Amino acid sequence: GNSVTQMEGPVTLSEEAFLTINCTYTATGYPSLFWYVQYPGEGLQLLLKATKADDKGSNKGFEATYRKETTSFHLEKGSVQVSDSAVYFCALTSTPSLTFGTGTRLTIIP
Amino acid sequence: GAGVSQSPSNKVTEKGKDVELRCDPISGHTALYWYRQSLGQGLEFLIYFQGNSAPDKSGLPSDRFSAERTGGSVSTLTIQRTQQEDSAVYLCASSLELVLAGGHHEQFFGPGTRLTVL
Repeated sequence: GNSVTQMEGPVTLSEEAFLTINCTYTATGYPSLFWYVQYPGEGLQLLLKATKADDKGSNKGFEATYRKETTSFHLEKGSVQVSDSAVYFCALTSTPSLTFGTGTRLTIIP
Repeated sequence: GAGVSQSPSNKVTEKGKDVELRCDPISGHTALYWYRQSLGQGLEFLIYFQGNSAPDKSGLPSDRFSAERTGGSVSTLTIQRTQQEDSAVYLCASSLELVLAGGHHEQFFGPGTRLTVL
C-alpha cells in the first residue's frame, strides 16, 4: 500500500535559517503530493501541492518539487519566521483519501 | 464563510458511553472524509462519503464505529461503548469531488473534535 515517511521532529531553528523537511513516499501509480500545515489550535491547511513529476509547488515562501526518480517531495524555505512554527504533514493521494506522514513539529526561535 | 465546521470542539466522556460527532462540510462538496489523529501519530483515514454513500467501511477501527451522511451534507460519526483507546482528535474534511491521483481537488479540513474517554 501507499505510505509516506517524514523527517522526524521536533525541529528547532533560529529565525532566518534555511529549512528542509524531508519526505519520501511509496506509491503505486502516479499520486499527487501535498504539504499540509497545522498551526497551533487550528485545523490542517493545504500549504502546497504538485500533481505530476518535476512539478514544483510553492506558497508563502515554501517550495517542494515532485521527484519521481527519488520518490521524494522535500519541503524547503530559504528564511523561516517565527510565524512558521507549526506541524507540517506530507501527504499523497490514495484514492479516495490521502495518506499522511506522521508530521514534523517545527519551532522557530527569534 | 464557510469552511468545514465540526461540533463539539471538545468532548469528554466516560468509558462505555456513546458519542456522536458532527461535521458540516463546505456547501456543494460532494465528497466527505473522516480521519483520526492520535497523539504523536499521523492521520488515520476512517471512512469517506461520495454523496450519501459510503462504499467502503473497512477503515473504521471496529464495529463500534459507524458513520452516516444525509442530504449530501451533514455527517455524523458515532462511537458506541467508547474505550480509552478511542481518545483522539477526529477530523473531518470535504472536497469538491473525490481526490484522485493526478487530480487537483483539495481536501479542506475542519478544526476537529478532541475526544477524551476517561
